[in-house]
This record gives sequence, structure tokens and C-alpha cells, in this order.
Amino acid sequence: DSGVTQTPKHLITATGQRVTLRCSPRSGDLSVYWYQQSLDQGLQFLIQYYNGEERAKGNILERFSAQQFPDLHSELNLSSLELGDSALYFCASSVVPLGGGTTDTQYFGPGTRLTVL
Amino acid sequence: AQSVTQLGSHVSVSEGALVLLRCNYSSSVPPYLFWYVQYPNQGLQLLLKYTTGATLVKGINGFEAEFKKSETSFHLTKPSAHMSDAAEYFCAVVLYNQGGKLIFGQGTELSVKP
Repeated sequence: DSGVTQTPKHLITATGQRVTLRCSPRSGDLSVYWYQQSLDQGLQFLIQYYNGEERAKGNILERFSAQQFPDLHSELNLSSLELGDSALYFCASSVVPLGGGTTDTQYFGPGTRLTVL
Repeated sequence: AQSVTQLGSHVSVSEGALVLLRCNYSSSVPPYLFWYVQYPNQGLQLLLKYTTGATLVKGINGFEAEFKKSETSFHLTKPSAHMSDAAEYFCAVVLYNQGGKLIFGQGTELSVKP
């Protein structure tokens, strides 16, 4: 158990709908990352927050958005869902952002499997 | 731009045999390198990481990896495979100047035959 929790574990929805995925980082971790894992794209970084502020953005669609709340949990919002959005969405956390001389580790949650029908 | 290439999307070994999973990276600055393992229907678990210092890194479950700058490689090895090692393995590099996001390779699925 990494200490990172994600809910829900599974989500089945229809095209055009909107869903929210939730992540609670490990106790004490200030940085949260979201990744998407799909068969065709592999593991792709979406977005990162550090202590409530957006820190880095990856290949995140405009239909997707995220935020980190004062209690440090994070939510990933996916709207106008398409079939191609079906994937496993992971959240990871670290004490501080990696890089810049730090060598911290990202710990991953169990993921949310999203199926768009 | 930094990138990671894992050679071989599927590797099959017999129980007790050597495991070798290959990873090559491209980076304009000294990289931090990671190996993660993903068991079926689970999240990613850190096996080991290289930051600075000793180039031979030991991880969990008997795995180790050697950072070779001249070959831009970070191959993962285990002397003797167990059935429980069957999983998908991901090599990753961190981007320093972009908040520390991980760039992953495409993954290598390891099968272990009895």
C-alpha cells in the first residue's frame, strides 16, 4: 500500500458525460501528479500540482481539468467524454516536486479505471 | 528532450533464469532514472531509482539496475526469476525543469514459465 488513495476504483459512463476522479496523497506529500495509461499511448503525464498551485502541464486535453484543494487532495475532471478517453488514470504524490536537485520519489495510487461506452 | 526506450515489449523467461529488461534513455542533463513494476490490476510500485553516486542500484525483490552513462542505459536485472515476478515493468526518467514529471517507456511485460 503506497498510502495514495484514489476513488472510485471503476467508473463506467457514456459519451458526452462528465466525471470527477479523486485522489488523496500520502500524508505529508505536497505534490500531486496525474497520469493516464492507455493501450495506445502508454503512460502519459497529464498535470501536476504543488501545494495547491499548478506546477506543470503535459498532454492534457482542454476537456480535462484538475485542482488541488487546501487539504491537498486533488480532483481530475473529465468532460464531454469520448470513447478514446477510456483508460486507467493514476494519481501519484511526492513530498516535493522531483528535479531541481531533489531526489524524492513519486508514489502511485491504485488507479481509477474509466470506461466510456 | 528527454525520452525513454524499452527494448522488447514482451520478455519470457523460465523460472530460475536470469531476467534482463533493457532501458535506454535520452537526456541532455544527468538523469534521475526509475524502474516501476505494475502487477495486474494494480498501481505502479517503485522497484529502484538512480539519482547520483553508486551506479549499481539495488532494489526490492532482488532486482538491481546499473546506470551506464557511456551507453545511456539503465537495464534491470534479477539473477533468478520467480513466478511472482510476472508483471509489467516501466523505466522512467524525470524532467528537472518541468516540475519533476516522469517520462515513461512503453513498458515490458515479463512472463515467467514454470
